[in-house]
Amino acid sequence: QQQVKQSPQSLIVQKGGIPIINCAYENTAFDYFPWYQQFPGKGPALLIAIRPDVSEKKEGRFTISFNKSAKQFSLHIMDSQPGDSATYFCAASSETSGTYKYIFGTGTRLKVLA
Amino acid sequence: GAGVSQSPSNKVTEKGKDVELRCDPISGHTALYWYRQSLGQGLEFLIYFQGNSAPDKSGLPSDRFSAERTGGSVSTLTIQRTQQEDSAVYLCASSISQGNYGYTFGSGTRLTVV
Repeated sequence: QQQVKQSPQSLIVQKGGIPIINCAYENTAFDYFPWYQQFPGKGPALLIAIRPDVSEKKEGRFTISFNKSAKQFSLHIMDSQPGDSATYFCAASSETSGTYKYIFGTGTRLKVLA
Repeated sequence: GAGVSQSPSNKVTEKGKDVELRCDPISGHTALYWYRQSLGQGLEFLIYFQGNSAPDKSGLPSDRFSAERTGGSVSTLTIQRTQQEDSAVYLCASSISQGNYGYTFGSGTRLTVV
């Protein structure tokens, strides 16, 4: 019940395309859903995050869509660029757990072709 | 400091030896986390420190793993009698406080046990 399932494992799109990465969870106590971007040799960096009281959040070219009833959320990257090529991780946590530790998905390796 | 600093960046050790990994969190960040990232895998929670509270050690995989945080700042993760399965990137993250404000990760320590 603590798992966060992420798909696809890898994704290749053309420049300007809109890659979509999906995550699903079971634990209804989760109330914070961040996405992290990781480049090779670097630590993950926070990209955007959402709470379940909204269905969508946009920051620049990055959008999170959240479906509370389906217990799913997804990341959309508009007008993708080669510089977006990285590994993306979704995560979930629960403030009620008291530790704010994140449960991470297994990651999606995105390649944007020039 | 400007970011989370981890040292060493790379560590090669012989099976059975002990290793210490260091993390310097962002100044003023009271929450500190250790995660492990195995090749091609997601991030696995190890341990969480918050201020002077007892740490959440629920993710430590065995009693060979331990961590401490001195003076509410620098943290050291110690792995005793290293095994080949301990080979991974060990990531440290800090956060400004309890609560879901997003982590800032360091670049990690790549540990290779030979």
